[in-house]
Amino acid sequence: GENVEQHPSTLSVQEGDSAVIKCTYSDSASNYFPWYKQELGKRPQLIIDIRSNVGEKKDQRIAVTLNKTAKHFSLHITETQPEDSAVYFCAASSRDFGNEKLTFGTGTRLTIIP
Amino acid sequence: GAVVSQHPSRVICKSGTSVKIECRSLDFQATTMFWYRQFPKKSLMLMATSNEGSKATYEQGVEKDKFLINHASLTLSTLTVTSAHPEDSSFYICSARLAGWYNEQFFGPGTRLTVL
Repeated sequence: GENVEQHPSTLSVQEGDSAVIKCTYSDSASNYFPWYKQELGKRPQLIIDIRSNVGEKKDQRIAVTLNKTAKHFSLHITETQPEDSAVYFCAASSRDFGNEKLTFGTGTRLTIIP
Repeated sequence: GAVVSQHPSRVICKSGTSVKIECRSLDFQATTMFWYRQFPKKSLMLMATSNEGSKATYEQGVEKDKFLINHASLTLSTLTVTSAHPEDSSFYICSARLAGWYNEQFFGPGTRLTVL
């Protein structure tokens, strides 16, 4: 099955600086890669996603890049703000015996230092 | 975006009792719903995939007789934790996906289960 690794596990950046979180996956058949933001005790919220037919996608301060050959994808947050502090999860979508499912990375706790 | 509700948000029960958690898609029909479990400061672990009108598909290591899943309609899936024990205490989150492959999953707000 799919295996997703995520680094770093914790990340602290000064407000206004950029943050980068990286993930690798194992199943070359995976085709959909969402990123979720989760605040303490709350539901995961999709912040951006990318499909395998594109290499980069941007939405205001957030961007995701995908390298299918190397099987890794990254989340970039620019001009970070205190409200960006949360846990971020990457995920990869794969098919297993006809069922499609998400496999999540281990999470990155991002802290924005004012 | 699509809205998924989950009920109850918190439940405390005694060891040996059963607890039912409901997951509803409020404004769309979800042919597939997913149940996850999340321990404190850990990632989301998929427990099972629930397809409307058919038996759920459980992930390896998840006891299907302990975690009963029913997906009787296109808007409702239920997870029943049977004979709950303290080690079942966790945050349970459901999600629902629009029909079609590789579409976004919309998550419910989660249910925090505490078994005494």
